[in-house]
Amino acid sequence: AQKVTQAQTEISVVEKEDVTLDCVYETRDTTYYLFWYKQPPSGELVFLIRRNSFDEQNEISGRYSWNFQKSTSSFNFTITASQVVDSAVYFCALSEANFGNEKLTFGTGTRLTIIP
Amino acid sequence: ETGVTQSPTHLIKTRGQQVTLRCSSQSGHNTVSWYQQALGQGPQFIFQYYREEENGRGNFPPRFSGLQFPNYSSELNVNALELDDSALYLCASSPGLAGQAPYNEQFFGPGTRLTVL
Repeated sequence: AQKVTQAQTEISVVEKEDVTLDCVYETRDTTYYLFWYKQPPSGELVFLIRRNSFDEQNEISGRYSWNFQKSTSSFNFTITASQVVDSAVYFCALSEANFGNEKLTFGTGTRLTIIP
Repeated sequence: ETGVTQSPTHLIKTRGQQVTLRCSSQSGHNTVSWYQQALGQGPQFIFQYYREEENGRGNFPPRFSGLQFPNYSSELNVNALELDDSALYLCASSPGLAGQAPYNEQFFGPGTRLTVL
């Protein structure tokens, strides 16, 4: 069975600090996808990134970066120079890549608060 | 391009009643998934519809049922509402399935907040 663990329930940092959100996953599949979503107070899940299990290259997009390590089953998310607009709940999710099994398995989320 | 829309935004029902939630998928998307998000939790997969047929179901009882129409919009029906059904219900659409290359991520709607009293 798939499982995603986000051990950090809540994190607060002062604006401009860097912050890393942790994600650990479990799956028996060799082919899978990992995601990060942002959920602002409005409730809509905003897609941030997708990685497949064969691509362990780290990715950087502006102030956001992701570190995928298959050896430790982790997919951590770092925000550099945090801003107040980054305040939200962030979810890590896992999906098998098999036809007919499409569900996203989410972690319980990390509530990030950026203090001005 | 219109994104995923859901209606209603908020809904209050009493225990035992039935409810229908609606979702319009993004233009060009033929796959719709429904998720339940209880307060303080991550979304839980309910089921998915692909070209009007159910294509996978999570661990939810049969009183949760769905439908997808020829225009790929979808409904989620919940019978015999229970207090624990109070949650944010999210709909997500995608232009294909994970088994089809390239995989397309799911685009989420704003959700319907259901309160059961």
